[in-house]
Amino acid sequence: AIQMTQSPSSLSASIGDRVTITCRASQGIGSDLGWFQQKPGKAPKLLIYGASSLRTGVPSRFSGSGSGTDFTLTISSLQPEDFATYYCLQDYNYPWTFGQGTKVEIK
Amino acid sequence: QVQLVESGGGVVQPGRSLRLSCAASGFTFSNFAMYWVRQAPGKGLEWVAVISADGNTKYYADSLRGRFTISRDNSRNTQFLQMNNLRSDDTAVYYCARSGETATIDLLWGQGTLVTVSS
Repeated sequence: AIQMTQSPSSLSASIGDRVTITCRASQGIGSDLGWFQQKPGKAPKLLIYGASSLRTGVPSRFSGSGSGTDFTLTISSLQPEDFATYYCLQDYNYPWTFGQGTKVEIK
Repeated sequence: QVQLVESGGGVVQPGRSLRLSCAASGFTFSNFAMYWVRQAPGKGLEWVAVISADGNTKYYADSLRGRFTISRDNSRNTQFLQMNNLRSDDTAVYYCARSGETATIDLLWGQGTLVTVSS
């Protein structure tokens, strides 16, 4: 199975900060990667698919980039509602695999 | 409206079995692949299994193959997860999910059902 290594595992940031989260695949996955946001007690929500396509309704401060093995989720200006845990997920082949998650906390 | 409702969770002893169900409504169930994803308390998301729209193709997480079985009944708009020989590390919220309409990964999620494996 493809392993997804996500970093950092947590970060502290302030409102308005630019935040970057990375995910590395153990083998090339093209652009078959999504980014999810999860808040406590809730199901995850897709933000980005195809590595860089913004899901309809997701604020434009979220963006994704990368291909092959290295991917990045960027929040250009952190808002109060963005404090959550973020996960990457490869859908290149089965079994799909998630990254370990990045918890974004208030500084 | 479009929704997925899981049921069947609860407390079960180690070594026992449990079957989860996921009832779908508001869409043509037989057109979509279905998934299970789980999350242990305080831990990250773990992809569990997928079943194709016609039920003929199934894939599992490497660590679960052999103990867990995914199935579906398109006549009842329901998918299932049969979990055998349960262990304490199977304790988790189990989410049912449907593949997306435009992007497969754009999953529609249920609310989750908690499975607790404990003596």
